Amino acid sequence: DQQVKQNSPSLSVQEGRISILNCDYTNSMFDYFLWYKKYPAEGPTFLISISSIKDKNEDGRFTVFLNKSAKHLSLHIVPSQPGDSAVYFCAASLNSGNTPLVFGKGTRLSVIA
Amino acid sequence: DAGVIQSPRHEVTEMGQEVTLRCKPISGHNSLFWYRQTMMRGLELLIYFNNNVPIDDSGMPEDRFSAKMPNASFSTLKIQPSEPRDSAVYFCASSFLGAWQETQYFGPGTRLLVL
Repeated sequence: DQQVKQNSPSLSVQEGRISILNCDYTNSMFDYFLWYKKYPAEGPTFLISISSIKDKNEDGRFTVFLNKSAKHLSLHIVPSQPGDSAVYFCAASLNSGNTPLVFGKGTRLSVIA
Repeated sequence: DAGVIQSPRHEVTEMGQEVTLRCKPISGHNSLFWYRQTMMRGLELLIYFNNNVPIDDSGMPEDRFSAKMPNASFSTLKIQPSEPRDSAVYFCASSFLGAWQETQYFGPGTRLLVL
């Protein structure tokens, strides 16, 4: 059973517009969430995170929103750039326990110039 | 810091051969993770170690797969015998498990092709 779901395998956005990547989770005990970005032939790299005590975290063009009641988080990229084209993985963890991150299957973002 | 180091970066082998993938985690991290990435299943956690001890190997697909961590700075993932369906990208990651807001750091991966 997938605890972290990214229901859109791919997304295409025009350069300069907003990219919104979505992630749903089923375990209400998750209290820390991360987004990773992966380019071809490279390992995933950490992008941005959010703790469950917040509902928003911003880092430059990247903002992550958390809706705990809906068990949903989203990553907004504004404005989108061609260099943002990559696979984005959502991950969740239990801060209070020694358990590893649980990853979604990823969403491939293509930003078209 | 050099980050997580994996070798080889690419491996092409024939069915039935033994394959050994290697990983050096980030110094100071207490946990090491082996993942496999495929189109169908995304990032699958195969096994992870905490303080060099295997904690959860429930993701290891079959007995053909084995992993060891003889010390804090080295781990191997072995497939014997290899099969074409093992073709995938294998990632190693490390972290300080138990730390507040744990973040895993990934290596560049080993792309395995079994013919």
